[in-house]
Formats: sequence, C-alpha cells, structure tokens
Amino acid sequence: NAGVMQNPRHLVRRRGQEARLRCSPMKGHSHVYWYRQLPEEGLKFMVYLQKENIIDESGMPKERFSAEFPKEGPSILRIQQVVRGDSAAYFCASSPRQGRTSYEQYFGPGTRLTVT
Amino acid sequence: DQQVKQNSPSLSVQEGRISILNCDYTNSMFDYFLWYKKYPAEGPTFLISISSIKDKNEDGRFTVFLNKSAKHLSLHIVPSQPGDSAVYFCAASVNSGGSNYKLTFGKGTLLTVNP
Repeated sequence: NAGVMQNPRHLVRRRGQEARLRCSPMKGHSHVYWYRQLPEEGLKFMVYLQKENIIDESGMPKERFSAEFPKEGPSILRIQQVVRGDSAAYFCASSPRQGRTSYEQYFGPGTRLTVT
Repeated sequence: DQQVKQNSPSLSVQEGRISILNCDYTNSMFDYFLWYKKYPAEGPTFLISISSIKDKNEDGRFTVFLNKSAKHLSLHIVPSQPGDSAVYFCAASVNSGGSNYKLTFGKGTLLTVNP
C-alpha cells in the first residue's frame, strides 16, 4: 500500500530552464494538492486538482507555474523559466475525497528544487 | 502576512517530561486546526486535530488545547520520548462549502527530546 510518491526527490535547474515535478497519489485517491515550502517558512497551499480539473489554484503564482492531473498518470507541477526564488521544497498531498476533515491529506516526501 | 505563527523555532526537553508547543493565529475564520509532525527528508504526517467547537482533544500522549478568545492553541506531549524529536507544524483551515482542504501552516518548531 504505497503512499504518495513524488519524483524526482531532488532537482537542480539553471535559471531559465523548466522544472517538472511529478506526484502519484495514493491508490484510490483522486484529489491532489500541491504545497510549497520556501526556506525558513511553513508550507503554503498552491493548487488543488481532481482528475482533469483544477479546482482551486488561488495559491499559485499567476505566471510561469501550471499544474495538471490527467486522467491517466501522475499530477505534474510545471515551472517554466525558473528563477532563484523558485528554490524550495514542493510537497504533494492526496486525499480520497474532498473531505470535511483536512487530515485526510496524505503528504509525499517532497521534491527539493534548487535553481542555480 | 503570517496567519499562523509558531514563535519558538526550537524546543529542547528531557525524556519523560512534558513538551508544550505553541501556536497563534490571526484569522478568526479558521475553524479547524491540526498538528503535523515532520522528520527530515519526509513529508508531514498528521498527528492530531481539533475543531473550533471544542477546546481540547486528546489522543494517547498527545493533547491539543484551543483557546479561541486568545487565538491560541498548544500541543502537549507527555511523556516525551526521543522518537518524538521532529519538526512540528501547526496548521489551520477555513470551512469552505463543507470542505477544509486549504491548509495554512506555521513555520514549525523543532522539538528535540534528550535521552
């Protein structure tokens, strides 16, 4: 019963390159959430997706960032033309349903993005 | 704007003693509060939660207290064990249409329990 999988665990990109972060939710989970943790900060909500739908992207920067959760395959968080300020840990969480109880979000180990 | 604040970056306690981790919030719309525990190189794992209609919730060695008037909550761990050493995050959410999915986290407190 695998948990939430994220890959890669570490990603190094030069300024201007694209970063693609993948998240495979727990089996049976159809809701995915992305959070970002900047250095010395708490996790911040970015986006909430269901299969083929973006439900809430209110926490996502308006430019360069996009997310998808296709019918088949993992959820992808894409950052175009990365800048040094994008360096952070990106966590994905999944849940079996949009629950009243937030603890039903199960977190992955995160992807640490470093922009050089 | 830091809506959830954990003002102590670190805390050190002796094994067997009580650990008290504190959290303050500013958004009066928050109605659900959670504590997460995080080990290095892992994602946060849920520990305990409390609804705003309660002032205390207990689960084994872990108790969360909520003081709504002071906008303050605390996590008590007793007795503390070396395996409790981790970063503890306080998080909060607002019920929106019957769902509390958008979690707002504090910066975390590193707890070290010394044998």
